[in-house]
Amino acid sequence: DQQVKQNSPSLSVQEGRISILNCDYTNSMFDYFLWYKKYPAEGPTFLISISSIKDKNEDGRFTVFLNKSAKHLSLHIVPSQPGDSAVYFCAASTTGNTPLVFGKGTRLSVIA
Amino acid sequence: DAGITQSPRYKITETGRQVTLMCHQTWSHSYMFWYRQDLGHGLRLIYYSAAADITDKGEVPDGYVVSRSKTENFPLTLESATRSQTSVYFCASGTGTQETQYFGPGTRLLVL
Repeated sequence: DQQVKQNSPSLSVQEGRISILNCDYTNSMFDYFLWYKKYPAEGPTFLISISSIKDKNEDGRFTVFLNKSAKHLSLHIVPSQPGDSAVYFCAASTTGNTPLVFGKGTRLSVIA
Repeated sequence: DAGITQSPRYKITETGRQVTLMCHQTWSHSYMFWYRQDLGHGLRLIYYSAAADITDKGEVPDGYVVSRSKTENFPLTLESATRSQTSVYFCASGTGTQETQYFGPGTRLLVL
């Protein structure tokens, strides 16, 4: 069963507007969450992370929000730029030596 | 050059052949990982390694073998390739399972 779910396979947003990518998880033991960005023909690259002791983490145009009670996190990109067009993966992990669990990804298209 | 490299970048093979995908990192990261990326499945962990001579299964290990005799190398072998192993394979490294992982550029494998 999928522990990390990204229910929107794709998202299209106009340049300059906000992009919101969502991620849900089922394992209440997850305490660390990451977002990765992937361009075609390249490996994923780390974007931003959040620990379960926080509910928000911001890095420039990127903000991740965590709602532990709903087991939901979201990535906000403001303002969206054409270069943000990529596949975004949500990942989660638990304390201890267990590997990251990735979602299936959401393809973001930012239209100029 | 510093970083994580994978070879070959592209490989075509036939069913039943043995194939080895190479991964090399220069950061001396203790952890290394192998993922496959398939449409509709996102990134799935095949095997990972916490240190030299320590390996563990991920979500989809069947049909794959790994070894880690040196910290910097983590080869992945398909002992008898099947068409279902056609995929894009990513190697990653990191300082821990809960830490940021750094991905290689990927190997695109086609099994005919």
